[in-house]
Amino acid sequence: DIQMTQSPSSLSASVGDRVTITCRASQSISSYLNWYQQKPGIAPKLLIHVASSLQSGVPSRFSGSGSGTDFTLTISSLQPEDFATYYCQQSYSSPRTFGQGTKVEIK
Amino acid sequence: QVQLQESGPGLVKPSETLSLTCTVSGGSVSSGSYYWSWIRQPPGKGLEWIGYMYYSGSTNYNPSLKSRVTISVDTSKNQFSLKLSSVTAADTAVYYCAGALVAVAGTYSNWGQGTLVTVSS
Repeated sequence: DIQMTQSPSSLSASVGDRVTITCRASQSISSYLNWYQQKPGIAPKLLIHVASSLQSGVPSRFSGSGSGTDFTLTISSLQPEDFATYYCQQSYSSPRTFGQGTKVEIK
Repeated sequence: QVQLQESGPGLVKPSETLSLTCTVSGGSVSSGSYYWSWIRQPPGKGLEWIGYMYYSGSTNYNPSLKSRVTISVDTSKNQFSLKLSSVTAADTAVYYCAGALVAVAGTYSNWGQGTLVTVSS
């Protein structure tokens, strides 16, 4: 199985801050990397697919980059509705695997 | 827009079989456009992929669960189902059904709201 490791596991930030979350795969996954946002009690929501493609309807302050084993999710200016847990997930091979999550909290 | 809704018992006894159904609306399970999947999340923990089925009948399961999992499709009811046998407390989780477009396989753009299943006697 491909292991996905996110860092940090949690972070505290203020509204307006630039936030960066990283995700590392245990082997190369090309660009087959997705990012999801999950709020408490709600299903995950797809934000970005194939590393850098913004899902329809997702605000442009979200962006993704990377290829191979190292990937980044950036929120350019954190908004109140962005406080949530973020997961990366590889779609390169089965079984599909997720990172352990990064919780973004209010500072 | 395809919408998904899980249903099934919220409490299952240890050693028994967990059975959940996902009803699809706004689209057809037999359209060939989606891989129909199940993903679970233990309370307070991360996401675990269980497996998927394509309308043709082909399946792909997580090896860690493969011996206990069956995913099937009922085209007459526009539903797909999950069966997980010999459950233990470790199978307590919120279970999500999800759809991944064939064009972007493994990318989950559509999710049900999730249903909590507790394994307890």
